[in-house]
Amino acid sequence: AQKITQTQPGMFVQEKEAVTLDCTYDTSDPSYGLFWYKQPSSGEMIFLIYQGSYDQQNATEGRYSLNFQKARKSANLVISASQLGDSAMYFCAMREETSGSRLTFGEGTQLTVNP
Amino acid sequence: GAVVSQHPSRVICKSGTSVKIECRSLDFQATTMFWYRQFPKQSLMLMATSNEGSKATYEQGVEKDKFLINHASLTLSTLTVTSAHPEDSSFYICSARVGGAATQYFGPGTRLLVL
Repeated sequence: AQKITQTQPGMFVQEKEAVTLDCTYDTSDPSYGLFWYKQPSSGEMIFLIYQGSYDQQNATEGRYSLNFQKARKSANLVISASQLGDSAMYFCAMREETSGSRLTFGEGTQLTVNP
Repeated sequence: GAVVSQHPSRVICKSGTSVKIECRSLDFQATTMFWYRQFPKQSLMLMATSNEGSKATYEQGVEKDKFLINHASLTLSTLTVTSAHPEDSSFYICSARVGGAATQYFGPGTRLLVL
């Protein structure tokens, strides 16, 4: 079974609008962490936001917030006030306690911000 | 955030030659570094986990004799693709972790083309 599922291969959003990128995960570990990374066409992976499984509040970093719904095993990324520079591939990733420091990545979502 | 560099950013080589890729943590000491491979329009695939001063741990299916990893210091890990073949052409990207922190910070990646 897929550990990380991103069901949206591509998403489009108008500049200045908000967009939600979906991510669901599968783990039986009680302790895990969830990450979102942005990969522009240049290839670098840019860390955006982190959510620990025991964190009580949803993580926020500037225009990025993580909608963490533990019971539903979802960790959706919300980008507010989209900018043209947000156009990129976005990857959701998970680190499970039993897998040490290894990250498992989803297949990614290509976000295009239209002017 | 922590800065990770990779060198070279792009390399073209002839089939049968060896290529060395360097990954450096510039402003922190990385006890653990990771090497990933990414094919076009696909997700990242973990190749190996590298701990300073010890042998790398390779993922299943990754040939350790072909992809030599050395983590000689807390700021440098190298990946050597030995006897490269066209099927080794890919985007190789490293990441580094600060101590026991959860977040991995990625380098800008190296595009390898084997002719």
